[in-house]
Formats: sequence, structure tokens, C-alpha cells
Amino acid sequence: DVKVTQSSRYLVKRTGEKVFLECVQDMDHENMFWYRQDPGLGLRLIYFSYDVKMKEKGDIPEGYSVSREKKERFSLILESASTNQTSMYLCASSLGSAGSLLAFFGQGTRLTVV
Amino acid sequence: DAKTTQPTSMDCAEGRAANLPCNHSTISGNEYVYWYRQIHSQGPQYIIHGLKNNETNEMASLIITEDRKSSTLILPHATLRDTAVYYCIVRVASGSARQLTFGSGTQLTVLP
Repeated sequence: DVKVTQSSRYLVKRTGEKVFLECVQDMDHENMFWYRQDPGLGLRLIYFSYDVKMKEKGDIPEGYSVSREKKERFSLILESASTNQTSMYLCASSLGSAGSLLAFFGQGTRLTVV
Repeated sequence: DAKTTQPTSMDCAEGRAANLPCNHSTISGNEYVYWYRQIHSQGPQYIIHGLKNNETNEMASLIITEDRKSSTLILPHATLRDTAVYYCIVRVASGSARQLTFGSGTQLTVLP
């Protein structure tokens, strides 16, 4: 089975801290994604990457950056955490374009910024 | 992209079949129907997808009408662990990878 692993299940950080959320997949997938999920707003795409060192902005990239130095790892960075970034963060991966909608998700990281 | 319409919520008795409908009347010929579900506090999970033929796997069956304007996800013997939000997504499979967008879905509650 494909496994997408997020480094933390729950995280509490202070306002202004730099926060790293890590995601690792073990199926050699080209595409990796970061979403956030908030009540009433559904899943919103923050960034995605279709290859090592490649990244593309999603719908809500402000306040975030990403890093993909290796194919299996995709990191989401909150440069200076703010309370409005309190959310559930979900990482996903998928094959290249032919299977791009068959995505596998991690278990999520619930981040609280205080 | 074709718009999808799903009921907000449904109940199903444990052990019975759960039939979750999805309308996608503007679907085009090269768009697939995908189903995902999200159990509370977990990431979404892929269930099944199809183009025009009915599909079955170990989790569920997908029935697509001949005109492709609607589909039904069938969980043949629902269990309490199937309680989740179920999302129907219609997209061109070879389109941009970023376009996996989830609507509000159907909250399925399986009752003991």
C-alpha cells in the first residue's frame, strides 16, 4: 500500500515561530501536494510539486513556502506562524499526469498557533 | 469542470447497502468520476473511479448511468467504520495535477 506519512499528528506553535511540516511518501510518486482544511471551507490547495525542486502555487500560498529536495519528501514552511494558520494540514501524493487524480493522503497535522 | 451535486447527508443501517448518489449532468466525454471519503480527523481516502463502465473493487461499486449524467457509489454491507464524508469528483484524468478539488460531499452515518 502507498504510504504518505506526515511528521506530526498534533502541533502547537507560538505566533511568529517558523514552522516546518514534513511529508514523506514511499511510492515514488511525482506529484505531491499540501492542503489545509477548515470547517465550512473544505480542502484548499496551498502548494504542489510535480518534480524535485519544482513547485507551483495553489489557491492560498500566502504565508507559506515549500521545499522538495528529494522526490519522496515535501516540506511545508510557515515563515512566521500566525493564528489564522491554525488548521488541519494534509499532504498528498499521486502519480504523474495519467494518474493525477488518484491521490493518497497522509493522516493530517492539526496545527494550533497560539 | 463538470459540477457535481450530492445530498448533504444520508443515514444507513449497519449491514445494509449504502447507495450514495452524485449528479454530474454537464460531464464531458473525457471526464472521469472519482470517489473519495474522509473519516473524521483523517485524510481523504481514494475509493474508486470510472469513465463509463461500472466498476467494482474491494471497497465499493460504482454505477454510472448510460448517459453519464449521474453515478452511484455502493457500499454493499455498510459498517460503522464507513461513517464518513463521501466526495464525488469529476475531472479529466490527464489534466493539471493541482485540480483535485473537493466539494462539500455527503455525510454518511451508519447506524447500529
